[in-house]
Amino acid sequence: ELKVEQNPLFLSMQEGKNYTIYCNYSTTSDRLYWYRQDPGKSLESLFVLLSNGAVKQEGRLMASLDTKARLSTLHITAAVHDLSATYFCAVENGGGSRLTFGEGTQLTVNP
Amino acid sequence: SAVISQKPSRDICQRGTSLTIQCQVDSQVTMMFWYRQQPGQSLTLIATANQGSEATYESGFVIDKFPISRPNLTFSTLTVSNMSPEDSSIYLCSVEDLTGQNSYEQYFGPGTRLTVT
Repeated sequence: ELKVEQNPLFLSMQEGKNYTIYCNYSTTSDRLYWYRQDPGKSLESLFVLLSNGAVKQEGRLMASLDTKARLSTLHITAAVHDLSATYFCAVENGGGSRLTFGEGTQLTVNP
Repeated sequence: SAVISQKPSRDICQRGTSLTIQCQVDSQVTMMFWYRQQPGQSLTLIATANQGSEATYESGFVIDKFPISRPNLTFSTLTVSNMSPEDSSIYLCSVEDLTGQNSYEQYFGPGTRLTVT
């Protein structure tokens, strides 16, 4: 059974600082997703990572994938308040595009 | 990217009743899925909605409780049957985009917030 673990689960950081969210998964997978969820809202797609060594960047967020270590990271650079949200990683599970989600990381960026 | 709508956006229902949630996509998609997000929790896949055949359910979810229809490539419904307060959740449909530069993207609908009293 695929397990997806994120850490930390709660992250409070100051504006301007850098931090990394980690996503570990227990079995081999070809695809990893990162999503953002604002309170009371649905999920917004951030990144799809499809191969070992894949790196994608959008604004202050950068995601990477190491399939050998079964690890993905979401790096936040010079955080701003607008990045406050819950971030989920999700791993494609056993074919058929079915996703198993991590627990989510609740990020709060303080002025 | 695919634009997904869901109806209703929210509902409050009584124990023992059923609610059908609709998911409409603005383009034809092969893969459609239904997820549940319980309060303060992550998302859990309920089933894959297969066009023209029965849905494929994940462990812990059964057709009698969550019947799903997929009559065509742009529409699906999820029914939550014989509801109890434990069914209070947000139900989200998602689709996979296999075309062009958005290959393998999975998009989520706005969700249906269900409260069972």
